[in-house]
Amino acid sequence: AQKITQTQPGMFVQEKEAVTLDCTYDTSDPSYGLFWYKQPSSGEMIFLIYQGSYDQQNATEGRYSLNFQKARKSANLVISASQLGDSAMYFCAMRARETSGSRLTFGEGTQLTVNP
Amino acid sequence: EPEVTQTPSHQVTQMGQEVILRCVPISNHLYFYWYRQILGQKVEFLVSFYNNEISEKSEIFDDQFSVERPDGSNFTLKIRSTKLEDSAMYFCASSPAGVRRSGKLFFGSGTQLSVL
Repeated sequence: AQKITQTQPGMFVQEKEAVTLDCTYDTSDPSYGLFWYKQPSSGEMIFLIYQGSYDQQNATEGRYSLNFQKARKSANLVISASQLGDSAMYFCAMRARETSGSRLTFGEGTQLTVNP
Repeated sequence: EPEVTQTPSHQVTQMGQEVILRCVPISNHLYFYWYRQILGQKVEFLVSFYNNEISEKSEIFDDQFSVERPDGSNFTLKIRSTKLEDSAMYFCASSPAGVRRSGKLFFGSGTQLSVL
């Protein structure tokens, strides 16, 4: 069965510094995708970044990058130059063919607080 | 930018009553989903819908739940006889090409359902 784990319930970072949010996963499917979503206090889920299991390079989207270490089964999100507006809950998620591939399995989330 | 719209934003109902949660996915998207998030817990997959039929459903999605695309724009989730444990934030999502191919699900802002 597929599993996503986020071991940091809360993280704090100073404005303008970089922060890494951890995510490990487990699946027996060689083809899978990894996602990060941001959920601000208003509640909506905002897509940040995607990494496919066969992608050769780590994904990047602006200030977001995904540190994909396949052998370690980790997909950590790196936010560079943190801003106050980055304070939110962050979810790692995975899709795999084990469940027909149409569902995302989410981790428990990490609450990020950016301090001024 | 196009967005997924959910109504209402809050719904309060009595246990045993039927509720219908409404969603308008992004117009050219083909895949539709419902997820839910019980307060303080993970986001959980409920159901995916493609080509006017359910493509996958989770163990949560029992006979009390149903989905429908009654016209070309709306996508609804019906809970036939609500239970206290159905209280949660319900998210609708859509994607142009399905989770298997693209990385991106577009989520709505959610409907907070409270069952009393």
